[in-house]
Amino acid sequence: EPEVTQTPSHQVTQMGQEVILRCVPISNHLYFYWYRQILGQKVEFLVSFYNNEISEKSEIFDDQFSVERPDGSNFTLKIRSTKLEDSAMYFCASRTELAGLNEQFFGPGTRLTVL
Amino acid sequence: AQSVSQHNHHVILSEAASLELGCNYSYGGTVNLFWYVQYPGQHLQLLLKYFSGDPLVKGIKGFEAEFIKSKFSFNLRKPSVQWSDTAEYFCAVRGGTGANNLFFGTGTRLTVIP
Repeated sequence: EPEVTQTPSHQVTQMGQEVILRCVPISNHLYFYWYRQILGQKVEFLVSFYNNEISEKSEIFDDQFSVERPDGSNFTLKIRSTKLEDSAMYFCASRTELAGLNEQFFGPGTRLTVL
Repeated sequence: AQSVSQHNHHVILSEAASLELGCNYSYGGTVNLFWYVQYPGQHLQLLLKYFSGDPLVKGIKGFEAEFIKSKFSFNLRKPSVQWSDTAEYFCAVRGGTGANNLFFGTGTRLTVIP
């Protein structure tokens, strides 16, 4: 069964450093998402991506964040200058179509720890 | 904006007990409703979803949920839980205005004691 994969599983970084979180969505999916979950809090939407551009983003997704689909298979989330409060679990998700009865499939997450 | 409330933060049950986890949402338009489960160390998996039609939906592993529009609720139920149901359960809603992202509740941790 196809799965969304994410690397690394755990990333530790120093405050102010740039990090890139990688995701490989399911191959025939067209819509891609990043969510995050701060420890003990709810899963929060960050951004959605379709047709090589951002389709929606939340207030959390400020200028420090960017997303890219560099090679047709990977979908990356970049945080330019990490802050302590960026420490969270980051989930990538993908789905097939905007309309229709299609669920989002989630990856296993990347735990980001900012020191 | 949509929001989702899960009032039970941690539920502890013995095996074979019945389960009901509450979920309420706030959105006046047409919504799609989901329950996801996250087993320890694993990723979010879809348990069941409601888009339209029969408000009682059945999902995997014996779970079901009932959409009650008048109460803005989508409670998850299982008549007899097993130890393997120990996990975090998230209710989520997607709704209106072309949005396709999900709004999640804070989650309910279920611990089933053998």
